[in-house]
Amino acid sequence: QQQVKQSPQSLIVQKGGIPIINCAYENTAFDYFPWYQQFPGKGPALLIAIRPDVSEKKEGRFTISFNKSAKQFSLHIMDSQPGDSATYFCAASKSGAGSYQLTFGKGTKLSVIP
Amino acid sequence: KAGVTQTPRYLIKTRGQQVTLSCSPISGHRSVSWYQQTPGQGLQFLFEYFSETQRNKGNFPGRFSGRQFSNSRSEMNVSTLELGDSALYLCASSFTGRNTEAFFGQGTRLTVV
Repeated sequence: QQQVKQSPQSLIVQKGGIPIINCAYENTAFDYFPWYQQFPGKGPALLIAIRPDVSEKKEGRFTISFNKSAKQFSLHIMDSQPGDSATYFCAASKSGAGSYQLTFGKGTKLSVIP
Repeated sequence: KAGVTQTPRYLIKTRGQQVTLSCSPISGHRSVSWYQQTPGQGLQFLFEYFSETQRNKGNFPGRFSGRQFSNSRSEMNVSTLELGDSALYLCASSFTGRNTEAFFGQGTRLTVV
């Protein structure tokens, strides 16, 4: 059972565009939602994270929007650059029993063309 | 501040052999988690250790095991390797492991032939 569904699988945007990556979760116990960026040959790097008590969080060009009632959250990348070309993963974790793990989406491969 | 260090970076093993991977967390971090990354299954949780105790384990066979030392360094072991164990094995460290920022190493690329 895939607990975090991520879409699209791949995305191509032009430089300056705003790619949007969406994730949906099933487990209402999830209460921490990070996004990771991964370049080929590297480990995932934490980009930004949100908790369900806020609906939006911005860090630089990256914004997370969170809709608790719909159990969805999304990543927006403003003014995208070719250097943003990477694979992006959403994830979720929960407090309480079994809380010491991240459940990941399948990833979105983003290509930003000049 | 040094990041998460995983060794070795690359490994080639033969079916049936066993392998040990090492992870040194960020200084001060006491939680170490391990993940397996494959093109088909994505990132899957293996187990998490805190203060030398395994607190959580993913849905992997018993051939996958791990441990953590008093200095928070961790090792994972895979016995009786199968072709399907070929993957990127990632280690992540965090202060407490509970809904806090987790930082990943570059991973160990294991190829089983």
